[in-house]
Amino acid sequence: GEDVEQSLFLSVREGDSSVINCTYTDSSSTYLYWYKQEPGAGLQLLTYIFSNMDMKQDQRLTVLLNKKDKHLSLRIADTQTGDSAIYFCAEIRGTGRRALTFGSGTRLQVQP
Amino acid sequence: EAGVVQSPRYKIIEKKQPVAFWCNPISGHNTLYWYRQNLGQGPELLIRYENEEAVDDSQLPKDRFSAERLKGVDSTLKIQPAELGDSAVYLCASSLEASGGYEQYFGPGTRLTVT
Repeated sequence: GEDVEQSLFLSVREGDSSVINCTYTDSSSTYLYWYKQEPGAGLQLLTYIFSNMDMKQDQRLTVLLNKKDKHLSLRIADTQTGDSAIYFCAEIRGTGRRALTFGSGTRLQVQP
Repeated sequence: EAGVVQSPRYKIIEKKQPVAFWCNPISGHNTLYWYRQNLGQGPELLIRYENEEAVDDSQLPKDRFSAERLKGVDSTLKIQPAELGDSAVYLCASSLEASGGYEQYFGPGTRLTVT
């Protein structure tokens, strides 16, 4: 995941908003994703955005894409303790290849 | 609808032994992926199947890893012989090409420990 970078750790208080950031390097990225991984579990697809969009909202989740700066963010409103997990940013490059390229993940800790 | 099923969930083996992982994708999903996730990192693709054809295996260490998806449904990933560095979580994912293939759904993974 060296082409997709994320900060390692974020701690927030319950009820606050969380913002998890990601930067990527490949300008051919077509889709950008956020996955959630809880301990001992697989990856849960949270949301994704097409590269010609700059925002997508889904209930408590808001994704912002700045294509010029190659910056993706995930905002979680009213963060709950159940949101504690590792969040992975990922991308698909081009239109032919379907493999996801992941970042190393951001561990979100929600304090009561 | 059942998700992606993987077995076993955990496997501990000694180095130089063989090991196999099994995956059953979501019903109707024609694209199947095997990823490897090392500790503290994101998953990395090993191989991708479109139906029974391996269309992207450039990252698969072919000297010791093999995979098959004989009838375009279930898949098996094998390592022979295993090395200490193969300790990781092996994740299977599937997607539906007809809807663009952009939503990949992951199974719970198999955690392999090589001693």
